[in-house]
Amino acid sequence: AQSVSQHNHHVILSEAASLELGCNYSYGGTVNLFWYVQYPGQHLQLLLKYFSGDPLVKGIKGFEAEFIKSKFSFNLRKPSVQWSDTAEYFCAVTGNNDMRFGAGTRLTVKP
Amino acid sequence: EAGVAQSPRYKIIEKRQSVAFWCNPISGHATLYWYQQILGQGPKLLIQFQNNGVVDDSQLPKDRFSAERLKGVDSTLKIQPAKLEDSAVYLCASSLTFNQPQHFGDGTRLSIL
Repeated sequence: AQSVSQHNHHVILSEAASLELGCNYSYGGTVNLFWYVQYPGQHLQLLLKYFSGDPLVKGIKGFEAEFIKSKFSFNLRKPSVQWSDTAEYFCAVTGNNDMRFGAGTRLTVKP
Repeated sequence: EAGVAQSPRYKIIEKRQSVAFWCNPISGHATLYWYQQILGQGPKLLIQFQNNGVVDDSQLPKDRFSAERLKGVDSTLKIQPAKLEDSAVYLCASSLTFNQPQHFGDGTRLSIL
């Protein structure tokens, strides 16, 4: 079955630390890839997306993600996190008319 | 633009009772999704509509869950009868069409006693 894996369940960082959250998927064929974020008390919202072209995509608030097709990965990065980045982050993949979310990674940034 | 509207925000019922959730997507969005998000897990797609037709309901427990999207706009999701394991947040999302970024509502938090 097609699946999306986020290996980090909970990440704790200090402000200004660099962030990388892993996302791997098991789809074959063409995929569209997304990262969504859910800030405390808010609804899920899109952080960035990849459809085609440059595998390094930039999203809002300084986030970026790199699509590595050979590794079936779409990792999320940010060079310097802020306290306001504390949230839950979800990777999502669409392919073969199927839509799947990862289990999410909770990010806590200590001031 | 107005976002995805869901109601109610919270619902508490006893097992074996029935419950219904309502979703009003963003105007012009052809695709509508219902997700179940259990605490500590990512959203699980229950059903996906393209206009008023069902595209994917492979993960919908059809013996107790039903959904409709009459006229291709609003949608309702029903659970009858509810079980304890149905306790979750039920999210509605919409997108211009499939594969496009989704816009989520605030969700309905369902508690089964």
